[in-house]
Amino acid sequence: KNEVEQSPQNLTAQEGEFITINCSYSVGISALHWLQQHPGGGIVSLFMLSSGKKKHGRLIATINIQEKHSSLHITASHPRDSAVYICAVWVNKLVFGAGTILRVKS
Amino acid sequence: DGGITQSPKYLFRKEGQNVTLSCEQNLNHDAMYWYRQDPGQGLRLIYYSQIVNDFQKGDIAEGYSVSREKKESFPLTVTSAQKNPTAFYLCASSGGQGWETQYFGPGTRLLVL
Repeated sequence: KNEVEQSPQNLTAQEGEFITINCSYSVGISALHWLQQHPGGGIVSLFMLSSGKKKHGRLIATINIQEKHSSLHITASHPRDSAVYICAVWVNKLVFGAGTILRVKS
Repeated sequence: DGGITQSPKYLFRKEGQNVTLSCEQNLNHDAMYWYRQDPGQGLRLIYYSQIVNDFQKGDIAEGYSVSREKKESFPLTVTSAQKNPTAFYLCASSGGQGWETQYFGPGTRLLVL
């Protein structure tokens, strides 16, 4: 079993929809990261969380340490949000989920 | 502009050949990392360095080698011992505390001829 599991693996949404991507992990962690990978391959860090909730623009990330679960929400989705979203946890190194491929159609 | 650069963008390796991927950062970060990405899998750690002249093996170090002679540079050599080198290679750096945000380069795609 992978230490970091993401769901869904693939997600297609219509422009304007509210999107949720989930991340579950099986080990105690110091921090959890959400990353975005665009089709060209470059990766950008979106959030680092150790508790609670963070918001940046239309993106919201939450974490529940007791349940070992985090969610990434995108409000009012737009085609430019199409990317791979990756969850990673810090356990003396970064351990990455396989990613969620998001496609937002106009 | 501060950031991380990787070169080349695409690299072709012939059988039995060693190839070196470049990674340079001007963020003044102490820690640097090399990851490998295969389709449908999460990134996996190859090597990391927390300080100049020191580096440690990650989860999949076999067939790879690195050096850290300068703070700004962390090149990765894919040796002929790496039998399945076709992948996307990403370099990253961070301020030193491992749990901190890592900044990624644009990646190098390595293909075998």
